[in-house]
Amino acid sequence: SQQGEEDPQALSIQEGENATMNCSYKTSINNLQWYRQNSGRGLVHLILIRSNEREKHSGRLRVTLDTSKKSSSLLITASRAADTASYFCATDGRQGSARQLTFGSGTQLTVLP
Amino acid sequence: KAGVTQTPRYLIKTRGQQVTLSCSPISGHRSVSWYQQTPGQGLQFLFEYFSETQRNKGNFPGRFSGRQFSNSRSEMNVSTLELGDSALYLCASSLAEGGEAFFGQGTRLTVV
Repeated sequence: SQQGEEDPQALSIQEGENATMNCSYKTSINNLQWYRQNSGRGLVHLILIRSNEREKHSGRLRVTLDTSKKSSSLLITASRAADTASYFCATDGRQGSARQLTFGSGTQLTVLP
Repeated sequence: KAGVTQTPRYLIKTRGQQVTLSCSPISGHRSVSWYQQTPGQGLQFLFEYFSETQRNKGNFPGRFSGRQFSNSRSEMNVSTLELGDSALYLCASSLAEGGEAFFGQGTRLTVV
């Protein structure tokens, strides 16, 4: 079953606007990661935030983590048409005795030129 | 350095057949994980191998199996293929447990 659930499922914005995607999860985690996937291709790692961190920046990306609410958000500022892709959160936590990276259902972002 | 390589990129098989997919991780990465991605179920974890040992397994039937070789290359096998096995199969390697995962481009399997 999916650990992370993302919303919205789909988001359409104009170039230059900011895009915010949210992720909620159910169990305790070691870290939370965000990935991007262009249509039908492999995933690309964007950013990792550890459970003891609250906010992290990387270029136009800003990630927040609230472990008390079991939620995270990804903000992409000044979006570009090339940002059009699916974005997934992934939680690193224990499933039984082993650590496992579990992916959410993803947000499809469309940036209109 | 070279990324994660998956072969083949595309595959068409008939129901009842079996298939083997291959994944070569980034040099130095000993952890290899496999995922199945479908429009309906999203990204589902299949299994993870580390130093030739299966360390974790997802909720898939026994028709799905895998192995890892001493050079960290991994293969996954699906026997008695069903139409529902049509999916994008993704392999990822990582240097450390819980760290950044590097994905291959995937193998698109179509079962007819």
